[in-house]
Order: sequence, then structure tokens, then C-alpha cells
Amino acid sequence: EVQLVESGGGLVQPGGSLRLSCAASGFTFSSYDMHWVRQATGKGLEWVSAIGTAGDTYYPGSVKGRFTISRENAKNSLYLQMNSLRAGDTAVYYCARGAHGAIGDWGQGTLVTVSS
Amino acid sequence: QSALTQPASVSGSPGQSITISCTGTSSDVGGYNYVSWYQQHPGKAPKLMIYEVSNRPSGVPDRFSGSKSGNTASLTISGLQAEDEADYYCSSYTSSSTWVFGGGTKLTVL
Repeated sequence: EVQLVESGGGLVQPGGSLRLSCAASGFTFSSYDMHWVRQATGKGLEWVSAIGTAGDTYYPGSVKGRFTISRENAKNSLYLQMNSLRAGDTAVYYCARGAHGAIGDWGQGTLVTVSS
Repeated sequence: QSALTQPASVSGSPGQSITISCTGTSSDVGGYNYVSWYQQHPGKAPKLMIYEVSNRPSGVPDRFSGSKSGNTASLTISGLQAEDEADYYCSSYTSSSTWVFGGGTKLTVL
């Protein structure tokens, strides 16, 4: 069974940093692209970043230069380093496994709140 | 990259069929067959329902089907059931090597 468990969320002040982690199990982690997707309360889904099996990374303009996605295959772990956080970054952040050009399996999410 | 356009809400009675549209551009929906659909119940993580325009992951009922014409993709749910009431999101791969979601559609089963 595929399991994705996020951690590292919490309250952070504007301009601050936070590092999210995602522990993966139940599949060969190194063989899959991985994603981060976020959802503000009452709002829609927003794709945040992706990392390929070769370590290639992708971001939308809204987070490029502020967020960094990385993976550690030996630890079956995915990370999201978030810097220069803004109130608009407040959301539940989901870790997800890519497959067939889609976002297949999702974790339960971790809440990030950016507020003073 | 602008969000894909979906209707804010749709509704239908049990047993009926509904269709949710998802409109993009030639740089996303129209340019690639990497269109996917997600179902999200309140307080839950999204669930993949359709990938590559019209393929269903194992376990997804065949009442759910997907299609695409030009820059618009569609999700059709036939034989509506009460448990289908949820938010639905479309997504597409884009020419910028990114992914984009639609704004979401709230499905109400009357």
C-alpha cells in the first residue's frame, strides 16, 4: 500500500522559512516523479513543485526562487524548503506521487500558516 | 500560467448524468493528453479519478469517464450516486513543464 506522510508544517512569521518532509513507503520511491500541491482553506488546488527521478525540478512562477524541492532516495523522502514565506503561502501542503502525467497518490497534508 | 476554467457548480439527481468542463489553451489541455481529474470530499485528500484524458485508475467505477476536444476536456459521471457529491478538479501538464489545476467544481447530488 502506498503511504505518503507529510510533516514539518506549523506557524511561521512572514519572511520566515520552513522545511516540509514527506516519508514515502509501499513503492520504489526512486522510480517515481514526486509533487507538492497546496490548498488554502476553502480554495482550490495549486501545484507547487515537482521533481523527476533524475532530480530535475519544476516550479510555477508563484514560488520559483523561494521554494526548493529535493529528494533523498536512500531515505525514501521528499522535501520542500520554503523561504521568504508570505501570507498567501498559508495552506495545506500535500505530498503526492506522479504517474502517467498525473498526480496519483496523495498524502493527508500538513498545514502551513504564515502569520505574525 | 492561468488556472484552467471550470464551472463553479453543477448538480444532478441520483441516476442522472452530469458533465463538468475544463477549458484551457493550446499550451496545456489542447497540446497534451496529460489531462487528469480529481475528486475531493470535504476534509479529505484529493483522489485521482481520470488520467491521460480518459483512463481510469483501478478501483474507479466505470461511471466516471473523460474526454477531450480541442482545448476543452470533460468529465462525465453517469448514474449519479449520493457518494459522488464532492469537489472535482481538472489538471493538465503544460508547455512550460509545469502542471496547472482548474478552479474546481462543486457537484451537488439533489
